[in-house]
Amino acid sequence: AQKITQTQPGMFVQEKEAVTLDCTYDTSDPSYGLFWYKQPSSGEMIFLIYQGSYDQQNATEGRYSLNFQKARKSANLVISASQLGDSAMYFCAMREETGNQFYFGTGTSLTVIP
Amino acid sequence: DAGITQSPRHKVTETGTPVTLRCHQTENHRYMYWYRQDPGHGLRLIHYSYGVKDTDKGEVSDGYSVSRSKTEDFLLTLESATSSQTSVYFCAISQEGLNYEQYFGPGTRLTVT
Repeated sequence: AQKITQTQPGMFVQEKEAVTLDCTYDTSDPSYGLFWYKQPSSGEMIFLIYQGSYDQQNATEGRYSLNFQKARKSANLVISASQLGDSAMYFCAMREETGNQFYFGTGTSLTVIP
Repeated sequence: DAGITQSPRHKVTETGTPVTLRCHQTENHRYMYWYRQDPGHGLRLIHYSYGVKDTDKGEVSDGYSVSRSKTEDFLLTLESATSSQTSVYFCAISQEGLNYEQYFGPGTRLTVT
């Protein structure tokens, strides 16, 4: 079974609008970490935001927030006030307590339309 | 920015030749990882290391070997390159602990002809 599932291969959003990128995960570990990364067309991987499984509040970093629903095993990324520079691939990832690996989804390509 | 570099950044090689990619870090992080990225597959783990001379396989380890003789260096070797190994290869590092993210190198684009 896939550890991380991203069901939206591509998304479009109007500039200045908010967009939600979906991520669901599968783990039996009680402790885990969830991460989002951005990969622009230039190719580098950029860390955006982290959510711990025991965190009581949703993580926020500037225009990025993570909508964490533990019971549904979802960790959706919300980007507010989209900008043209947000056009990129976005990857969701998980790190389990019982291992040293990070598991990545297949990514969502976001295009911001002017 | 985390100090992590990859060399070479680009390489074209012929089928059947050996290839070694190098990852170098200046952060003294315990964990180092090699991934390959292909369209539609996201990032797939090849091998990772949790200390000097301590390595383990990832989901796509066939045809690849790794070595880590120093904390700062993690080498990925394709013993006999095949066209299916044409890909972009990323190295990443991380500290121990659930709340530590990975830092990625700039990537190496490998083409096997």
